[in-house]
Amino acid sequence: QVLLQESGPGLVKPSGTLSLTCTVSGGSINTNDWWTWVRQPPGKGLDWIGEISRSGSTNYNPSLKSRVTISLDMSKNQFSLDLSSVTAADTAVYYCARGRNLANWGQGTLVTVSS
Amino acid sequence: DIVMTQSPDSLAVSLGERATINCKSSQTVSSSSTNKNYLTWYQQKPGQPPKVLIYWASSRGSGVPDRFSGSGSGTDFTLTISSLQAEDVAVYYCHQYYSIPITFGQGTRLEIK
Repeated sequence: QVLLQESGPGLVKPSGTLSLTCTVSGGSINTNDWWTWVRQPPGKGLDWIGEISRSGSTNYNPSLKSRVTISLDMSKNQFSLDLSSVTAADTAVYYCARGRNLANWGQGTLVTVSS
Repeated sequence: DIVMTQSPDSLAVSLGERATINCKSSQTVSSSSTNKNYLTWYQQKPGQPPKVLIYWASSRGSGVPDRFSGSGSGTDFTLTISSLQAEDVAVYYCHQYYSIPITFGQGTRLEIK
């Protein structure tokens, strides 16, 4: 059973960069799956942020594309999310997930953007 | 972008009764080449990540009770709970991964009447 765990700061200042890491255990990140980030603002629905393949190919939500970078570290079995120029609207629970079908999810981590 | 629209936004059903949630996509999410529907249904309870209920529109996820079923193809899909249990109170989402960007329905809140 593949397990995913998000980690990173829970508080980020406005105009700063939100950086999160997803650690994958119980399986290798070096598979044909896409590795995905999804977020959920408090009390709201789910938003797809983007994905990365093992070759490093990425796809991003057009609404966030100018601010998002997703990267992969095979040696650590991790993938990461950087979101720049954050505002209060980026406050959300951030989830990492396996595959485009989002078969496995991490527990999520709340990131608050506030000064 | 493919827009996913769920109906209703909220639903109250008596214990033991049937609950039906609909999901309509603005474009097809079915592939004629693979003969698959790229549509998943999730259940989300407070403080928890979404849990896969139904994948490929009609296949039950691992450990999912058989009172949950999914149907549909093309642009119209349905999640049915045949006999509502107290533990089914949750928000339900549909999700398409036929094309990028991946998109979700807005969610349907299911409560006990």
